[in-house]
Amino acid sequence: GAGVSQSPSNKVTEKGKDVELRCDPISGHTALYWYRQSLGQGLEFLIYFQGNSAPDKSGLPSDRFSAERTGGSVSTLTIQRTQQEDSAVYLCASSTQSEFNEQFFGPGTRLTVL
Amino acid sequence: DQQVKQNSPSLSVQEGRISILNCDYTNSMFDYFLWYKKYPAEGPTFLISISSIKDKNEDGRFTVFLNKSAKHLSLHIVPSQPGDSAVYFCAASAIRGSNYKLTFGKGTLLTVNP
Repeated sequence: GAGVSQSPSNKVTEKGKDVELRCDPISGHTALYWYRQSLGQGLEFLIYFQGNSAPDKSGLPSDRFSAERTGGSVSTLTIQRTQQEDSAVYLCASSTQSEFNEQFFGPGTRLTVL
Repeated sequence: DQQVKQNSPSLSVQEGRISILNCDYTNSMFDYFLWYKKYPAEGPTFLISISSIKDKNEDGRFTVFLNKSAKHLSLHIVPSQPGDSAVYFCAASAIRGSNYKLTFGKGTLLTVNP
């Protein structure tokens, strides 16, 4: 595809359920990032992949959050036992990781935990 | 502790005038700075960037200025157009430290009035 795609675009779940969010990066982009934006806040870094490995997981807020990337392409962010404070827009970005570090963002997944 | 700060939550300007959006940072390791534009229900779109070896970068109506000693950057939009109305995020990364994640400010909502 031409850009970064994410699915689903919206997800409503009940507290305690697990959710999976998917990201398809731009073809050829080796770096992939997950961020989230809570209401009224800036984008908060969660995790960074270079290929299939994650050298920086420092932004994951708790051990309920995990992510993987396979084939150097698609990535899945999993949130287990969701809590209401997990409600946010989850954004994925990809880049070629050059000196210019221009990251291209997907449209995001809006997660609402009831 | 917020490392990238956008102290103005909103800015309103008349069409044709200059828009100036400001951003301050605290981390001296940051060496690459970007501005993103975000419309509602869309992911952020890259606008313009600047490396710490420069103090100005211009692209059409958009110019970014970097003052390293003051740890301050600004985005100038001249002339402003109604289509420029969006939330603008300032972001920073530490490329030399191989830290490619972006640290974002909370954003400034720009409204350009016809």
